[in-house]
Amino acid sequence: RKEVEQDPGPFNVPEGATVAFNCTYSNSASQSFFWYRQDCRKEPKLLMSVYSSGNEDGRFTAQLNRASQYISLLIRDSKLSDSATYLCVVAPSGGYNKLIFGAGTRLAVHP
Amino acid sequence: ETGVTQTPRHLVMGMTNKKSLKCEQHLGHNAMYWYKQSAKKPLELMFVYNFKEQTENNSVPSRFSPECPNSSHLFLHLHTLQPEDSALYLCASSQGRRGQETQYFGPGTRLLVL
Repeated sequence: RKEVEQDPGPFNVPEGATVAFNCTYSNSASQSFFWYRQDCRKEPKLLMSVYSSGNEDGRFTAQLNRASQYISLLIRDSKLSDSATYLCVVAPSGGYNKLIFGAGTRLAVHP
Repeated sequence: ETGVTQTPRHLVMGMTNKKSLKCEQHLGHNAMYWYKQSAKKPLELMFVYNFKEQTENNSVPSRFSPECPNSSHLFLHLHTLQPEDSALYLCASSQGRRGQETQYFGPGTRLLVL
């Protein structure tokens, strides 16, 4: 089983749509969780951290379910500029700075 | 825009060549990383340096040799590579404390091994 699993997509949605991405992780002792965004032929950039209580940043909402080892990202009112690959990232417990990346979910927003 | 720079941006090399990738961060961070990103695969962590000391080697073949002379610079020395080593090599940096922290990536070096 992969350490971090994501639906690869692509998700093709019209502008204004709401889209949700899911991610599961295998290590129940994982400590920290993130969503990164990677544009085509660019480097990954942090989109948002994911907290147990859930958190929201504008049109983006992240949720964590530790019992199910499941993370989600909801994007409301999709924009053309949201087209990218969204990477689910998990930090295992203990040790320094180690991040485990999912393979990413590709989103394409069309007019 | 990015505080992490990488050179060269593109590299083509033969299997008998020796080359080096360079990474520099201007963020005052103390941890630096090398990742490999192949097509359709997740980013793979290769090496981690904290305060110039290597703290992680993720079972990387010896044909990849990292060097961290100070907290701002990181190199990846390449020799006798294989075609399957062709990939995007990303450098990242972070503050260097334990726990949750953001990693900032450079633009990457796109490597092709012939």
